[in-house]
Amino acid sequence: EAGVTQSPRYAVLQEGQAVSFWCDPISGHDTLYWYQQPRDQGPQLLVYFRDEAVIDNSQLPSDRFSAVRPKGTNSTLKIQSAKQGDTATYLCASSLWGASQNTLYFGAGTRLSVL
Amino acid sequence: GDSVTQTEGLVTLTEGLPVMLNCTYQTIYSNPFLFWYVQHLNESPRLLLKSFTDNKRTEHQGFHATLHKSSSSFHLQKSSAQLSDSALYYCALSDRNNYAQGLTFGLGTRVSVFP
Repeated sequence: EAGVTQSPRYAVLQEGQAVSFWCDPISGHDTLYWYQQPRDQGPQLLVYFRDEAVIDNSQLPSDRFSAVRPKGTNSTLKIQSAKQGDTATYLCASSLWGASQNTLYFGAGTRLSVL
Repeated sequence: GDSVTQTEGLVTLTEGLPVMLNCTYQTIYSNPFLFWYVQHLNESPRLLLKSFTDNKRTEHQGFHATLHKSSSSFHLQKSSAQLSDSALYYCALSDRNNYAQGLTFGLGTRVSVFP
């Protein structure tokens, strides 16, 4: 069974540029999460979906960040006008809604550097 | 809001010695679900073990932890560290009554095991 797939693995930008990250969750997983992990810190939840619906995006900097999951499968996280403070690894994770095990499966992440 | 505290940022030890990583939490959840994730260098976080049962020892891959709701703790232990245990360890919290809402992570503890 394939795991969570993310691309690209790395991105280097100048401030002000835009970037998109893509995530393909584990087949059958209806819940998808985007986490931001600054260097030497724990992952911090940005947004999560159940199917195509956003359940919670309260931690997403809405003025520059956006996330979609139009068909309830793959998802895209986009940063408009990146800032140096956005430098971090962006992790996608998936799980089954309501599953008692509540286990999140993480992708390899996209490491973003904003210069 | 919810929070997870890991008091050690870095733990260094010699192979074969015991290791204990501290984790305490604060939450409004009446039914907290606690997790330990391990992240090896250049890899994504991977579930190590989890528990929502008070005072019951949970074991996996030589590690064990016991959730103590009375002290809001979920410390991770291993009796004999191996070189391959060198990694980042994250304690995380969720609500068992709301499985899908994602995890709140601590800052992490880096473990370095030397020969």
